[in-house]
Amino acid sequence: GESVGLHLPTLSVQEGDNSIINCAYSNSASDYFIWYKQESGKGPQFIIDIRSNMDKRQGQRVTVLLNKTVKHLSLQIAATQPGDSAVYFCAEKGNTGGFKTIFGAGTRLFVKA
Amino acid sequence: NAGVTQTPKFQVLKTGQSMTLQCAQDMNHEYMSWYRQDPGMGLRLIHYSVGAGITDQGEVPNGYNVSRSTTEDFPLRLLSAAPSQTSVYFCASSKGLAVYEQYFGPGTRLTVT
Repeated sequence: GESVGLHLPTLSVQEGDNSIINCAYSNSASDYFIWYKQESGKGPQFIIDIRSNMDKRQGQRVTVLLNKTVKHLSLQIAATQPGDSAVYFCAEKGNTGGFKTIFGAGTRLFVKA
Repeated sequence: NAGVTQTPKFQVLKTGQSMTLQCAQDMNHEYMSWYRQDPGMGLRLIHYSVGAGITDQGEVPNGYNVSRSTTEDFPLRLLSAAPSQTSVYFCASSKGLAVYEQYFGPGTRLTVT
């Protein structure tokens, strides 16, 4: 069945370094991917999205890369700050099944000062 | 705008009790959904609605009912609470068919004893 997973459950980086969070997906029909950030005690917050007809999309300090050949998604955070400490989820929407978004289990990012 | 609001923030139920988790949004979004989040797992879709009067099941609908009588409100009812329903529940909304960015509420932490 469909699944979205993450390679690493936790990631610890030094403040100022770049962070890379990886995600694998199994549904080759998925046409839209989203990264969410969830801080402790709060709901997920949209960070950036990418459609399957793109390989890369950049936002403010964040870049999402999509490799459809190996069904891999990554989120790069430049100059990581303490405020970036959170759990990051990748999510996919297939082109079937209406609005059903499938979330991965999440990666917890720790930023060391 | 208040965005997506949820009440209560915390709730403890005994097995067999029923209750309703409230969700409201003031952004005039057509699409609303309910997710549950369990430790070490991503968000799982319970039910969703694409507009007033229209609801559909998600990934884990058993034990939950929803209704959508207005655009703003999307309550989630637990018919007979079970310990397996102990979780954090998130409500989310998005603009509609072509816009997938979801806005999440702060969550309701439910414990069933």
